[in-house]
Amino acid sequence: KQEVTQIPAALSVPEGENLVLNCSFTDSAIYNLQWFRQDPGKGLTSLLLIQSSQREQTSGRLNASLDKSSGRSTLYIAASQPGDSATYLCAGRFEDQAGTALIFGKGTTLSVSS
Amino acid sequence: EAGVTQFPSHSVIEKGQTVTLRCDPISGHDNLYWYRRVMGKEIKFLLHFVKESKQDESGMPNNRFLAERTGGTYSTLKVQPAELEDSGVYFCASSLTYSSEQYFGPGTRLTVT
Repeated sequence: KQEVTQIPAALSVPEGENLVLNCSFTDSAIYNLQWFRQDPGKGLTSLLLIQSSQREQTSGRLNASLDKSSGRSTLYIAASQPGDSATYLCAGRFEDQAGTALIFGKGTTLSVSS
Repeated sequence: EAGVTQFPSHSVIEKGQTVTLRCDPISGHDNLYWYRRVMGKEIKFLLHFVKESKQDESGMPNNRFLAERTGGTYSTLKVQPAELEDSGVYFCASSLTYSSEQYFGPGTRLTVT
């Protein structure tokens, strides 16, 4: 059974700091992995999608990496701002799963203080 | 371009009643997904439509849940009769192809009392 884990559950940093959010998965046969952001009471905003053939993707101050062999993905946020405060979720789709679902982690809640 | 929209944003019903949730995907997206998150748990998959066909409904919890996508456009998810454990946030998502990025709606918060 595929599982996606995000540690830590919560993270607080001062403004300007570079930070890394972690996502691990139990099945190396991953098809793709997607990072989302969720603001309180809102839906999920897609940040980055990494296909299994890619090692990383970049969008602005965000950089996501994917290491299939170690079962890990990281989301790097450069020069954090208070507006980055939100819950960050990773979700994977796996090659050998019976269905077509994204499997989600529980998320990391980030708080950036000014 | 409009994103994924869901209606209603919030629904409060009593146990035993019926509720119907609606999702309008991004125009042109053949793939439509339903997910839900119950309190304290991770978001979990319910089912996947490709156009009007159910591609995968392995996540549907029981036969009190019925999803439809007539004409391959919007989708509805009906819960009948609702139970207390059905409370949670129901998300809809759509994607252009099976392997492409999924875009999520704002969710419907369902409270069963």
